[in-house]
Amino acid sequence: EVQLVESGGGLVQPGRSLRLSCTASGFTFGDFAMSWVRQAPGKGLEWVSFIRSKAYGGTTEYAASVRGRFTISRDDSKSIAYLQMNSLKTEDTAIYYCARAGTTVTRGGDYWGQGTLVTVSS
Amino acid sequence: QSALTQPASVSGSPGQSITISCTGTSSDVGGYNYVSWYQQHPGKAPKLMIYEVSNRPSGVSNRFSGSKSGNTASLTISGLQAEDEADYYCSSYTTSSTWVFGGGTKLTVL
Repeated sequence: EVQLVESGGGLVQPGRSLRLSCTASGFTFGDFAMSWVRQAPGKGLEWVSFIRSKAYGGTTEYAASVRGRFTISRDDSKSIAYLQMNSLKTEDTAIYYCARAGTTVTRGGDYWGQGTLVTVSS
Repeated sequence: QSALTQPASVSGSPGQSITISCTGTSSDVGGYNYVSWYQQHPGKAPKLMIYEVSNRPSGVSNRFSGSKSGNTASLTISGLQAEDEADYYCSSYTTSSTWVFGGGTKLTVL
């Protein structure tokens, strides 16, 4: 059974950093791209970033709203995807979901975790 | 990249069919056959219902179908059931190698 479990969320002050983790099980993690998608309270889904598998170069993409502040990475030996979030802003407050993004990222997210809440506030 | 355009809400009675539209541009919806649809119940994670415009993942009811014409994609739910009441989001891969989501549509089953 495919499972994705996010962790690392919490309350953080503006300008500080936080690292989220997405621990995967039930599939060969290294064969798949992984993505982060967020949802501000009461709002819609917003794509944040994805990282391709090593077979596709392990390349990364970011939404304009987070580019230069957030960094996605992966540790295939541990089946974990990370999202390092720096220079956090109040508008980054959201539930952050990780999703398995297929082998080529074009199929969307076929499995999602339950999300971790990040609150940016002073 | 601007969000894809969806109606804020749609409604239908049990047994009826409804269609949710998703309008983008030639840089996203119109550029590829890489449109996905997600269902999200309150307090739950999104669930993939349709990928690559019209394909259903294993386990998704055949009451859900997708299509596309030009820059507009559509999700149709036939034989509406109470459990279909949820928020629905479309998404597309873009020519900038990113994803973009629609604003979401709240489906009410009357």
